Amino acid sequence: GEDVEQSLFLSVREGDSSVINCTYTDSSSTYLYWYKQEPGAGLQLLTYIFSNMDMKQDQRLTVLLNKKDKHLSLRIADTQTGDSAIYFCAESRRSTLGRLYFGRGTQLTVWP
Amino acid sequence: DGGITQSPKYLFRKEGQNVTLSCEQNLNHDAMYWYRQDPGQGLRLIYYSQIVNDFQKGDIAEGYSVSREKKESFPLTVTSAQKNPTAFYLCASSNLGELAGGFFGPGTRLTVL
Repeated sequence: GEDVEQSLFLSVREGDSSVINCTYTDSSSTYLYWYKQEPGAGLQLLTYIFSNMDMKQDQRLTVLLNKKDKHLSLRIADTQTGDSAIYFCAESRRSTLGRLYFGRGTQLTVWP
Repeated sequence: DGGITQSPKYLFRKEGQNVTLSCEQNLNHDAMYWYRQDPGQGLRLIYYSQIVNDFQKGDIAEGYSVSREKKESFPLTVTSAQKNPTAFYLCASSNLGELAGGFFGPGTRLTVL
């Protein structure tokens, strides 16, 4: 199976909350990241969390980490049409310092 | 402004030709990376470099080559040996250490005609 897994699609209505989920397999994960990619563009680092934390909040973004289950989620409050994009979950590992392992990305579509 | 630049944004190549994609950063980052992105796929690591004059193969290095003669620059050559080179190529850089999450360039879309 994949090292990092995400559901591929999520649709929400404008103003609702979005929750994007991710699971990973490596127990030596150090940091976990969420990136946003708009069409035809590179990746923008949204937020990250250290593997010993269980929650991080940054304005409309809330990251939850369940290390026991190796489950990461990104909650976007008050989702806007401008949030429509692909969201990638990624991890870095103590065993391979310096590189990232990515999921396939979740396409978030926000309906007005 | 600090950042990563990639050029060109779009590149067309005939089969059998080598082509070089440019990546430059002025963030003073030690590490640089090349990823390939295909539709519906995550990012797959081609090559990475943590120091000048040194680089390591990633998961899909066959048919690609790189050099790291300067800290700021990490060009990627897609050779004729790469069987399916049409893809979106992303360059990234980061500081070394466990917080590896880095900055990405805008990408180069390569199409083989």
